[in-house]
Amino acid sequence: RKEVEQDPGPFNVPEGATVAFNCTYSNSASQSFFWYRQDCRKEPKLLMSVYSSGNEDGRFTAQLNRASQYISLLIRDSKLSDSATYLCVVNGAGNQFYFGTGTSLTVIP
Amino acid sequence: DGGITQSPKYLFRKEGQNVTLSCEQNLNHDAMYWYRQDPGQGLRLIYYSQIVNDFQKGDIAEGYSVSREKKESFPLTVTSAQKNPTAFYLCASSIKPGQGPNYGYTFGSGTRLTVV
Repeated sequence: RKEVEQDPGPFNVPEGATVAFNCTYSNSASQSFFWYRQDCRKEPKLLMSVYSSGNEDGRFTAQLNRASQYISLLIRDSKLSDSATYLCVVNGAGNQFYFGTGTSLTVIP
Repeated sequence: DGGITQSPKYLFRKEGQNVTLSCEQNLNHDAMYWYRQDPGQGLRLIYYSQIVNDFQKGDIAEGYSVSREKKESFPLTVTSAQKNPTAFYLCASSIKPGQGPNYGYTFGSGTRLTVV
């Protein structure tokens, strides 16, 4: 079983829509969770950390469900500039961080 | 400004040749990492180094080699033994080993390697 699994999409949504991505992880001992954004042919950049109580940054909300071992990212009022691939990252054994395959989002005018 | 520099941005290699990808950081980070990304796949860890003169294999180390002679530098050599080397290679660093994105985990801009 992979350490981290994501729905690859693609998600094609109209501007202004709300879209949510989930990411499941296999190691119940994982403590650190993050969402990264990766634009085409660029390096991933940290979007936000995911805290146990859930956290919000503007139009973005991240949540953690330890019982079901998944994290989620909700984007409200989608903008064209939100089009990118979103990667979830989870820490695992041996000081390693595991990246999901990414979920592709395209926001359509 | 501090950061990680990867070079070259694009690299073309003939089959059977070894090539070395450069990764330099001036962030004074102890730990450095090499990842490979293929289309439709996440980042896979090739090698990582927690301190100078020490490094460990990641999940897909076969066909690759690294060195860590200086804190600032962590070059990756893609050898002829790597059967499918065409990919996007990303270098990253963190302040201390095991410290992730919330402790300054930083990526370089990547090297796109193509075998011709």
